[in-house]
Amino acid sequence: DVKVTQSSRYLVKRTGEKVFLECVQDMDHENMFWYRQDPGLGLRLIYFSYDVKMKEKGDIPEGYSVSREKKERFSLILESASTNQTSMYLCASSSRPAGAVDTQYFGPGTRLTVL
Amino acid sequence: QKEVEQNSGPLSVPEGAIASLNCTYSDRGSQSFFWYRQYSGKSPELIMSIYSNGDKEDGRFTAQLNKASQYVSLLIRDSQPSDSATYLCAVMRNNDMRFGAGTRLTVKP
Repeated sequence: DVKVTQSSRYLVKRTGEKVFLECVQDMDHENMFWYRQDPGLGLRLIYFSYDVKMKEKGDIPEGYSVSREKKERFSLILESASTNQTSMYLCASSSRPAGAVDTQYFGPGTRLTVL
Repeated sequence: QKEVEQNSGPLSVPEGAIASLNCTYSDRGSQSFFWYRQYSGKSPELIMSIYSNGDKEDGRFTAQLNKASQYVSLLIRDSQPSDSATYLCAVMRNNDMRFGAGTRLTVKP
């Protein structure tokens, strides 16, 4: 079974703090993704990575950065947290078999509250 | 127009009935289609995938795809209270996956 883990289930931070959210997958997947999920807005892609040290902006990258130093680990960084970044953050991973696409598997999510 | 549209619901059905969830998408080049189930406070979990026109059945679940109409649906037969959740439709082209906002389903005992 695919396993995607996230460092925290719940996190409370103050405005202006630097926040690190970590995601680890154990299936040797090439692709990793960070989403945020808000009521009525669904899942919105923040950043993704197709390989180590590679990153691409998603639909809402502003206020976020990412790091992928190892294949199994993808970190999301909020440089200076703001209240509008209060959300559920979901990490996902997928493989990229030759000539095919694979679906994404999600971690348990981190509910971040910024006060 | 949103890329993937779903009726937000809530959709309420009695236990034992068929629940029908619908999704439309705008990108005609979409190649792969998925249904995820998300319980409250939990992360999405994959329940069905479909890649070609027609029906695909897996237990009580049937996914239906009509690429000409840009429409994908999920039928849940013999609905159970444990099926109460939000169902997300996802559409993929190459490695780009887009999600609908989800339909909330309630199955009443």
